This record gives sequence, C-alpha cells and structure tokens, in this order.
Amino acid sequence: EAGVAQSPRYKIIEKRQSVAFWCNPISGHATLYWYQQILGQGPKLLIQFQNNGVVDDSQLPKDRFSAERLKGVDSTLKIQPAKLEDSAVYLCASSYPGQGAQFNYGYTFGSGTRLTVV
Amino acid sequence: AQSVTQLDSHVSVSEGTPVLLRCNYSSSYSPSLFWYVQHPNKGLQLLLKYTSAATLVKGINGFEAEFKKSETSFHLTKPSAHMSDAAEYFCVVSPSNFGNEKLTFGTGTRLTIIP
Repeated sequence: EAGVAQSPRYKIIEKRQSVAFWCNPISGHATLYWYQQILGQGPKLLIQFQNNGVVDDSQLPKDRFSAERLKGVDSTLKIQPAKLEDSAVYLCASSYPGQGAQFNYGYTFGSGTRLTVV
Repeated sequence: AQSVTQLDSHVSVSEGTPVLLRCNYSSSYSPSLFWYVQHPNKGLQLLLKYTSAATLVKGINGFEAEFKKSETSFHLTKPSAHMSDAAEYFCVVSPSNFGNEKLTFGTGTRLTIIP
C-alpha cells in the first residue's frame, strides 16, 4: 500500500513569512497527526484529527499555527508568521483505530518536511 | 501523564558486538511501549512494540526489548551490531494499544557503529 505522502520535502523561508505543508494519509486511515521534530529532540505531537474533527491540539501554538482536514482525508498545516524557533522537521502520521494489537501496527509516519527559517 | 527517558544520548559499539539502548518510562496507565528507528533523512520506522502480552518482544532486524514493570524499563538490545544499524533510536510510550493514541517520544539515542 502507498505510504503517508508529504510535500514539500524541504522549505526555506524568512522569519515572519508564512508557509504551508500538505499531508495525504494512507487510504482508509481515519486518524491523522502532525508532529514537530526539532533537531536533537524526539517528535512532539502538535495536533491529532479523527476524520475531520480535532481530538487533541493542546500543544499547537495557536497564535501562529493552524491545521485543517476539511474532508477527513488530506490535511494542511500552516505557520503564519514563522519564527526562527519553528525550524524543524514536520512529520505527518496516520493510523486506523483498532489495529494496535497486531504487529503490523497501523501507525505510519511520512518522511517529513524539513523547514528552515532564516 | 506519560514520559520516557532515554538514558544515553549517544552509544558507540564495534561491529559484531552487542547493542544496548536504555529506556525508562513513566505512565499513569498500563502503557504500550515502542522503539522506532530513524535513519538520516528517512522517516520513522517501527522496530517493535509491547502491548501487555509477552514481556520479551522481538522486532525486525534482530532487535528485541524486554518490558520490566518493576524497573519501569524497556531496554532495546541486539546480539551483534551491523553497520546498517547506525541511526537514531527513539523509545516511545502510548496510553493504549489501539493504535490511534498520542505517542510520547524520548529524546533519542544516536547509535554509531565502529568498523
């Protein structure tokens, strides 16, 4: 099956500019996540969607970050305006509820978008 | 609340020698625990997971981990390191095994293999 698709792979912007990332999850996966991975750290959850509804956005800096999943499939994550400390890899993941008991764990990560803010 | 602590930020071993990456966890629930690997410029790949079944878990590429509740540990081991094992390894905890819960990552351990 196709994996989680993300674009772009790389993005360089100046501080105070805006940027958007796109994610297409695995077909049929109802749950979608955005994680932020700052260099030298483990990924941190920004937001979790179940279909097109938000389950958890407690770690999302809502003054500058926004995310949507309007039709319950693709998702976009936006930063406006960007700050230097937003430089990170933004990972999208998807999962299908109920598959956790099997080794073929239904939680799959994309390759990420590496953002550099200068 | 849940968290994981990876006790070593960097581990170096010689090719063919055993690997030990250490992880302690804290969780208010009976947690699910995972090890993920991340090769440079690649996505995260699941190595293995523990979900309250057998305490010794076998994963891909010869890795295994043992869940020790009394020690709140979930250390990752491999009998013989290979050059291709060089990567960043993350210990991860989740409150459930349903596959749709928030993952909390450790800070990572960089594994270097010496030829």
